Amino acid sequence: QQQVKQSPQSLIVQKGGISIINCAYENTAFDYFPWYQQFPGKGPALLIAIRPDVSEKKEGRFTISFNKSAKQFSLHIMDSQPGDSATYFCAAGGNRDDKIIFGKGTRLHILP
Amino acid sequence: DGGITQSPKYLFRKEGQNVTLSCEQNLNHDAMYWYRQDPGQGLRLIYYSQIVNDFQKGDIAEGYSVSREKKESFPLTVTSAQKNPTAFYLCASRFYNEQFFGPGTRLTVL
Repeated sequence: QQQVKQSPQSLIVQKGGISIINCAYENTAFDYFPWYQQFPGKGPALLIAIRPDVSEKKEGRFTISFNKSAKQFSLHIMDSQPGDSATYFCAAGGNRDDKIIFGKGTRLHILP
Repeated sequence: DGGITQSPKYLFRKEGQNVTLSCEQNLNHDAMYWYRQDPGQGLRLIYYSQIVNDFQKGDIAEGYSVSREKKESFPLTVTSAQKNPTAFYLCASRFYNEQFFGPGTRLTVL
């Protein structure tokens, strides 16, 4: 019940295309769903986050889509750029939890 | 500059030796965390601390120890009991739901 399943494990997208990464969770007590971006040799940094009271959140080229009934959420990167090449982690947590649970990550490579 | 610092960036250890990884933050956050990152494994929680002088085991605490004597500092000791310690170690602090990560320490056991 504490798992967050992330797919795909790796993704190659042409420059200008749309990158889509999917995550699924089981614990209905989760109410905070962040996405982190990590460049090689660096620590992850928060990219965008959503709460289940909305179905979509957009910040620039990055959009989270959230489906509460399916217990799924996804990250869409529009007009993908080579600088977006990184590892992306989805995660889930709850207000009463001290911890957040991370997915296993997706290595994204944008072809120039 | 506010943030989280980890030192050293690279660390080499001989088998059978204990080694301590440093994590310092000047964000005035109460909660701090240690994660281990292996290729394809995501971030696995080792220990976390919600307040000074208190800490809890995470999912993979065996072979590790921590202390939290000061709010700013949360050092991690990798003991000789850790069977496979070669990994990238990340420290984080938390403000409300958001976790802020340090730059990491890459530990290699020779």
